[in-house]
Amino acid sequence: GGIITQTPKFLIGQEGQKLTLKCQQNFNHDTMYWYRQDSGKGLRLIYYSITENDLQKGDLSEGYDASREKKSSFSLTVTSAQKNEMAVFLCASSMGQGSSQNTLYFGAGTRLSVL
Amino acid sequence: GDSVTQTEGPVTVSESESLIINCTYSATSIAYPNLFWYVRYPGEGLQLLLKVITAGQKGSSRGFEATYNKETTSFHLQKASVQESDSAVYYCALGASNTNKVVFGTGTRLQVLP
Repeated sequence: GGIITQTPKFLIGQEGQKLTLKCQQNFNHDTMYWYRQDSGKGLRLIYYSITENDLQKGDLSEGYDASREKKSSFSLTVTSAQKNEMAVFLCASSMGQGSSQNTLYFGAGTRLSVL
Repeated sequence: GDSVTQTEGPVTVSESESLIINCTYSATSIAYPNLFWYVRYPGEGLQLLLKVITAGQKGSSRGFEATYNKETTSFHLQKASVQESDSAVYYCALGASNTNKVVFGTGTRLQVLP
């Protein structure tokens, strides 16, 4: 089996600050995802990447940058944190093809609070 | 765009009662959607419950079933007799086999009373 590790678990930032969240997977999966979860709004796709150095925008990409420099890692940057923002960011990965395509494995999440 | 709409929670049922959580999807940019139900049990991470990648097929797991209905664009989750341990948040999701994009519904919190 494999694991997805998200760091940090908790992130407290200041308004206007640039904040970076990291995600590592050892499944050797091709595709990785970043989702944002707000209370009552489910999971909203921010960015995904189908291979190293690839980036695809989701529905919520504005205000974020992403980077996939290695197959095993996918980072997300909040370009300017918004005051009183609170959300959980979930990283996931999946095989890029075959019968398990789009079956996502999730990390434990990074909880963001902005003061 | 591509989206998923599911039963708004919370849903409360008594143990041994039947359950249905509705899910409908819109796949405007996805030629061959794959459909999923994910679940988050208390204190645990989000995990796959069941999936169906072919229209007309049924998926099942842990006593839950869902049938991929392309005509009604639905993928409702059903269980004949729920248990208290089924209390969790359930998410319907839509995947694109051509782009690997996966979108989720808002989740439905299920509480099963003893």
